[in-house]
Amino acid sequence: GESVGLHLPTLSVQEGDNSIINCAYSNSASDYFIWYKQESGKGPQFIIDIRSNMDKRQGQRVTVLLNKTVKHLSLQIAATQPGDSAVYFCAENSRGGKLIFGQGTELSVKP
Amino acid sequence: GAVVSQHPSWVICKSGTSVKIECRSLDFQATTMFWYRQFPKQSLMLMATSNEGSKATYEQGVEKDKFLINHASLTLSTLTVTSAHPEDSSFYICSARADSGSSETQYFGPGTRLLVL
Repeated sequence: GESVGLHLPTLSVQEGDNSIINCAYSNSASDYFIWYKQESGKGPQFIIDIRSNMDKRQGQRVTVLLNKTVKHLSLQIAATQPGDSAVYFCAENSRGGKLIFGQGTELSVKP
Repeated sequence: GAVVSQHPSWVICKSGTSVKIECRSLDFQATTMFWYRQFPKQSLMLMATSNEGSKATYEQGVEKDKFLINHASLTLSTLTVTSAHPEDSSFYICSARADSGSSETQYFGPGTRLLVL
């Protein structure tokens, strides 16, 4: 079903540490997943995507892991920087190309 | 990368007036655009899917007569909030999906903050 808006969970990390943001998705038939970063007052920015025929994909400082068995997605950010502070959303691509967004996680990076 | 713009970036209006928000794909053609609404500290909620040359498809609970969507060209979709009320105050975000091949990636605009007094 559709994600319901809730107050955002938060993750606080020290600058230079690795961050892991988790997401549970709802539809086992979803075959495409995306992570977005949203800074305050701005629209979501594409970070990385992964298809259901993969379980891991790496980008620059980011890695997405997909576990279809438990319908779980994670985003790992290496050497987290203050500029990484934002809200991170996972999204699953449903039928018809509609994106269903997770509730989001607010990442706060302490200098 | 693909760029999507929105205009205006913010708007304040009186209750009962109508407000139009534009969404443009600047460097690609988008057969499909999407409109979302986001309340503070919450996730994005899809309002409607806008297809060029046809009627928009609205999500359950979204009033089509209140949120008028027009997708006049492959690079422009508009959302008009009619007879706006304070509860319509929100952050409205559009996205556009590139038309080429099997691309599913949606590119988002910067959002429009609406405040209804």
